[in-house]
Amino acid sequence: QVQLVESGGGVVQPGRSLRLSCAASGFTFSAYAMHWVRQAPGKGLEWVAVIQYDEKRKFYSDSVKGRFTISRDISKNTLYLQMNSLRAEDTALYFCARPSRVGYYYAMDVWGQGTTVTVSS
Amino acid sequence: QSALTQSASVSGSPGQSITISCTGTSSDVGAYNYVSWYQQHPGKSPKLMIYDVSNRPSGVSYRFSGSKSGNTASLTISGLQAEDEAYYYCNSYTSSGTVIFGGGTKLTVL
Repeated sequence: QVQLVESGGGVVQPGRSLRLSCAASGFTFSAYAMHWVRQAPGKGLEWVAVIQYDEKRKFYSDSVKGRFTISRDISKNTLYLQMNSLRAEDTALYFCARPSRVGYYYAMDVWGQGTTVTVSS
Repeated sequence: QSALTQSASVSGSPGQSITISCTGTSSDVGAYNYVSWYQQHPGKSPKLMIYDVSNRPSGVSYRFSGSKSGNTASLTISGLQAEDEAYYYCNSYTSSGTVIFGGGTKLTVL
């Protein structure tokens, strides 16, 4: 079945780095754009980044631009989020999500269960 | 990139209809028919309920419908049921190539 499984979360000090992974299965990973979305404790959803299927275009929210990098390894069917210069406000549950069809990236119909990042000294 | 504006909460009795609004700008909601709606129960991952303003994914109840007028999109839930109680989020594509979510609306079924 179609599945996304995030990993790599944990507790990290401010200013440090962390890399999240999202393992995809059950669909042709290389054909889809992919997103990262986060949710701070008790707060709403916040879009973080998207990477197009061919990696030619990547977009970021203003809150993470210049600090986070989205990438993918199609040989491993895995999406990544490299997070540098982490701040307390980056504390959140991080979801990866897949758009509902190929050639499109607006609506996300497959979500992982999320991985928790806590930035604290 | 300010979040799309949603009312914080809405409530209704079983069987009633409610509407949740999502207001953006002429650079996002008003510019494209790429508004989606998501349902999220506490402790769960979001679920896509509406895409491209008014389309329902397979498996989503006909009781859920979407529309848009100008810079405001709306989600209507008819025949409210207890299991509809959840948070609802809108999102939209933007002219910058990014995606933006609304702040979320808590639906309480009385």
